Formats: sequence, C-alpha cells, structure tokens
Amino acid sequence: QVQLVESGGGVVQPGRSLRLSCAASGFTFSGYAMHWVRQAPGKGLEWVALISFDGSNKYYADSVKGRFTISRDNSKNTLYLQMNSLRPEDTAVYYCASDKAFKVGPPNEYGLDVWGQGTTVTVSS
Amino acid sequence: DIQMTQSPSSLSASVGDRVTITCRASQSISSYLNWYQQKPGKAPKLLIYAASSLQSGVPSRFSGSGSGTDFTLTISSLQPEDSATYYCQQSYSTLYTFGQGTKLEIK
Repeated sequence: QVQLVESGGGVVQPGRSLRLSCAASGFTFSGYAMHWVRQAPGKGLEWVALISFDGSNKYYADSVKGRFTISRDNSKNTLYLQMNSLRPEDTAVYYCASDKAFKVGPPNEYGLDVWGQGTTVTVSS
Repeated sequence: DIQMTQSPSSLSASVGDRVTITCRASQSISSYLNWYQQKPGKAPKLLIYAASSLQSGVPSRFSGSGSGTDFTLTISSLQPEDSATYYCQQSYSTLYTFGQGTKLEIK
C-alpha cells in the first residue's frame, strides 16, 4: 500500500546536525513533489520545505532557510532533510508528505494527500 | 509570505450540528486552498483540496467553499469522530503556509 516512513529523529544538542529520511513505497515516488512539515509540541502545523518531483526546484520556509536542505534520491524512493545549526525552536515532530498531483507544479491546488507517521526531533543541551 | 488566518481558534458543538470554520488569506490565492483534519498523535489527513473538491474516502458531510481570500469548511451534521483540529493551507505560493488551526470539540 501507499506508505511514507520517516526515520532519523532523536535528541541533539543546539548547533549540531541531523539528517531525516523518508522512505516511500506503493506509488511512483519520482512523479510527485515532496514536502516536510513539522509540528512543535502543543502547536500547529508549520510547512518546512518542498522539492519538485525531479529535484530541480527546492523551496524553504524563512525559519529554516540557509540551515536546512531538502533532497531526494528517486532511485531509492527516499526523501531527505539535512538539518544543520539546530536550535531549540526546531524541536518538533517532522512529517514527510507527498503532493497529490502527478508532475503538476508545485505550486498547485491539490494539497498533500499521503503523510508519514512522523519522527521526533528534540534539540536540547 | 502569504498569511492564513482561521477562525474561530476553538469551538464546541453538539452531534448533529452544522459547523463552519473560516480561513482568510492575506492576499488572493484563487482556489489554491486545502483543508486537513488532525487527531491527537496522528498525521494530518487531507479532507478538501482546490477549495471545494472532496478527497477520496472523506464523508460527504464535509464540504468546502470560497475563492480569492475567504474560504469555509462546513460539516453538515457533526459526528463524534469529527472531534479534531482542522487546518487550512494555501498552495498558491511555493512557500506553502498553514492556518493556526481550529480545535473542534463535541459537547
């Protein structure tokens, strides 16, 4: 079945780095833009980053721009988020999500229709 | 960046009630507006895309409307399983943004 599984979360000290992975299965991963969305404890959803289906375009929220890098390996059906210079305010559950539209935009009007279960990142000394 | 503002932040309603949640964008986003439902400890679930299109498998009591800057999510007859937090999201800009969420409780 269609599935996204995140991994790589954990506890890390401020200023350190962490790389998250998201393994996709059950659909044509290479045809869909992918996103990272995070949720701090007790807070709402925050969109973090987006990569186009072929990896040629990448976009970031202002809060992570210059520190986080989104990438993908379509041969491995895997999405990544490299997080550098981590701050306590980066503490959150990180979700990967697939765009609903096949090779359309983004942006597009179709939303994110497949989500992983999330992986927890805690930035603390 | 496009800012999304939802109202109310929380509400309480009874089973069978008609419930409406609103979302306003800081600039026109055409119909590039999506709605999600999130239950505690779970990933969000897409309910409505393109402002008014029902995602496959979502009950027909959920509906969306609006265009430009003002949008609504309506639950026509509230059910106990609808207790959740609801988020709007714009996908008009490549910097996607969510509203702050509306927590819906069942009386």
